[in-house]
Amino acid sequence: DVKVTQSSRYLVKRTGEKVFLECVQDMDHENMFWYRQDPGLGLRLIYFSYDVKMKEKGDIPEGYSVSREKKERFSLILESASTNQTSMYLCASSLSRPLEAFFGQGTRLTVV
Amino acid sequence: RKEVEQDPGPFNVPEGATVAFNCTYSNSASQSFFWYRQDCRKEPKLLMSVYSSGNEDGRFTAQLNRASQYISLLIRDSKLSDSATYLCVVNEGSSYKLIFGSGTRLLVRP
Repeated sequence: DVKVTQSSRYLVKRTGEKVFLECVQDMDHENMFWYRQDPGLGLRLIYFSYDVKMKEKGDIPEGYSVSREKKERFSLILESASTNQTSMYLCASSLSRPLEAFFGQGTRLTVV
Repeated sequence: RKEVEQDPGPFNVPEGATVAFNCTYSNSASQSFFWYRQDCRKEPKLLMSVYSSGNEDGRFTAQLNRASQYISLLIRDSKLSDSATYLCVVNEGSSYKLIFGSGTRLLVRP
């Protein structure tokens, strides 16, 4: 079974803090994704990566950056956390063919 | 226009009913199509891929209509455990980027 593991289930951070969300997959997948999910807005893509050190912006990259130094690990960084970044963050990984994505359990981030 | 659109529902059906969801997508170059299921406060899980010829997995049937740019999911003999949100997923053109619909909520009542 594919396993995608996110470092935290729940996280509370203060406004202005730098926040790191970590994601690790164990299936040698090329692609990794970070989404956020908010009520009424569905899943929105923040960033994705199709190879080590490669990244592409998704639909809502502002206020975020990512790092992929190793194939199995994809990190999401909130440079200076703000209250509007309170959300559920979901990491996923996939092969290039087929493109079926497998998700981690999610990190519920609250910024106070 | 949203890239992937779904009726949010909820669809409220009795056990044993047949229910169908549609999803439309805007990019005619899209090549990969999926249905995911998401339970409350859980991560999305792959339900099934959708192939051009249509495909079936037990009580679930998925269809793709490229001409009209929509995909459908049919659930027969609904169970209480089918209550969830069903997410339509399409890749963006020829890229690896996956676009999710906002989901259709299904409630199956006894």
